[in-house]
Amino acid sequence: QSALTQPASVSGSPGLSITISCTGTSSDVGGYNFVSWYQQHPGKAPKLMIFDVSSRPSGVSHRFSGSKSGNTASLTISGLLPEDEAEYYCSSYTSSSTLVFGTGTKVTVL
Amino acid sequence: QVQPVESGGGVVQPGRSLRLSCAASGFPFSSYGMHWVRQAPDKGLEWVAVISYDGSDKYYADSVKGRFTISRDNSKNTMFLQMNSLRAEDTAVYYCANDHGDYAVPLIWGQGTMVTVSS
Repeated sequence: QSALTQPASVSGSPGLSITISCTGTSSDVGGYNFVSWYQQHPGKAPKLMIFDVSSRPSGVSHRFSGSKSGNTASLTISGLLPEDEAEYYCSSYTSSSTLVFGTGTKVTVL
Repeated sequence: QVQPVESGGGVVQPGRSLRLSCAASGFPFSSYGMHWVRQAPDKGLEWVAVISYDGSDKYYADSVKGRFTISRDNSKNTMFLQMNSLRAEDTAVYYCANDHGDYAVPLIWGQGTMVTVSS
């Protein structure tokens, strides 16, 4: 199972919005509404930010939102804050009953 | 406080075995599927395996299938990962996490335990 494709880096100014893409295939992203997004700060464990394409766990800011079109899912962070600077990973359920993660995107707040 | 806690990591020679544990508290362990996910140094996340709430279903990444075995003991609120025939490429921080639902969403992650495979 190949990793889902994410841009290596995305940057934005405080207060503005950015979008991170996550591209897979019809056997994973395109075939199921089980796309999740994780935030990971250096040296820390990942934190779930979005699940089931667009649902937010309790406690996650409304500034984080998710969507999907075809084989590509997206995470949008609006009103960028300095603490949003981190690595972000998408994940998807697959037709083999396994999970696959994305390659990861480094978000920089300028 | 919902927090899985991993243990059992260390340095091991190639070809040898190691067993990791994941002790859970703060949530009804026997009601949740559980995942193992690993992260090699300065690399991305790699899903390893998942086990159903009752241990009846198990799925593995191709990279570990036939070498790693996931299991659980609900009476002790603990999950395990038996790792055999270890390779240098298995070197990573190993995280455990409970599942949000449908065995598709690692939810709450532990802090991880480091496994180094080296001669």
